[in-house]
Amino acid sequence: AQSVTQLDSQVPVFEEAPVELRCNYSSSVSVYLFWYVQYPNQGLQLLLKYLSGSTLVKGINGFEAEFNKSQTSFHLRKPSVHISDTAEYFCAVSDLSYGGATNKLIFGTGTLLAVQP
Amino acid sequence: DTAVSQTPKYLVTQMGNDKSIKCEQNLGHDTMYWYKQDSKKFLKIMFSYNNKELIINETVPNRFSPKSPDKAHLNLHINSLELGDSAVYFCASSQGALQGTNTEAFFGQGTRLTVV
Repeated sequence: AQSVTQLDSQVPVFEEAPVELRCNYSSSVSVYLFWYVQYPNQGLQLLLKYLSGSTLVKGINGFEAEFNKSQTSFHLRKPSVHISDTAEYFCAVSDLSYGGATNKLIFGTGTLLAVQP
Repeated sequence: DTAVSQTPKYLVTQMGNDKSIKCEQNLGHDTMYWYKQDSKKFLKIMFSYNNKELIINETVPNRFSPKSPDKAHLNLHINSLELGDSAVYFCASSQGALQGTNTEAFFGQGTRLTVV
């Protein structure tokens, strides 16, 4: 069975500092990986995704992530954060066992990025 | 022109009541979902429909009954509400998971259900 682990429940960081949010997954098959962001009282917005190809994926708002198959990781990074980046970040993996019929997402427990001035 | 819209945004109701949450997507997707986010922000799939057909029912109690009248709509009806049903319910849609296609899921704004 597939699973996602986000080791850090909260990451405090000062404005303009770099940040890395960690995500590890387990899967016995090829995976699709995603990072979503949830601002307070909002829905989930896709930051970036890895389906295939280049292992370095660039997303919106200056975020990027690197797919590392040997370490089964998909860490999210940003070189310089802003106050407005304060939000909950979720890593997710697709469960492809249903063929092409559906894209069930298995989420990690989330990481709260708290940017301080 | 919201892509995935769900109503209501907030729902406060008493134990034992029956309530519905509606969801509509205007993205032309063939697959829709309901996810539940608990008080610890953990997100878990409840149901998935593809072209109005139920694909996933993730061991959700029978009190929860999804209905998909067409590809663009997926409603969630909950009978005999319990305190433990309090959560945020998210509707989402995607274009399935075929190899090489865009598998991104688009989420609605959520419905915060509080059972008192």
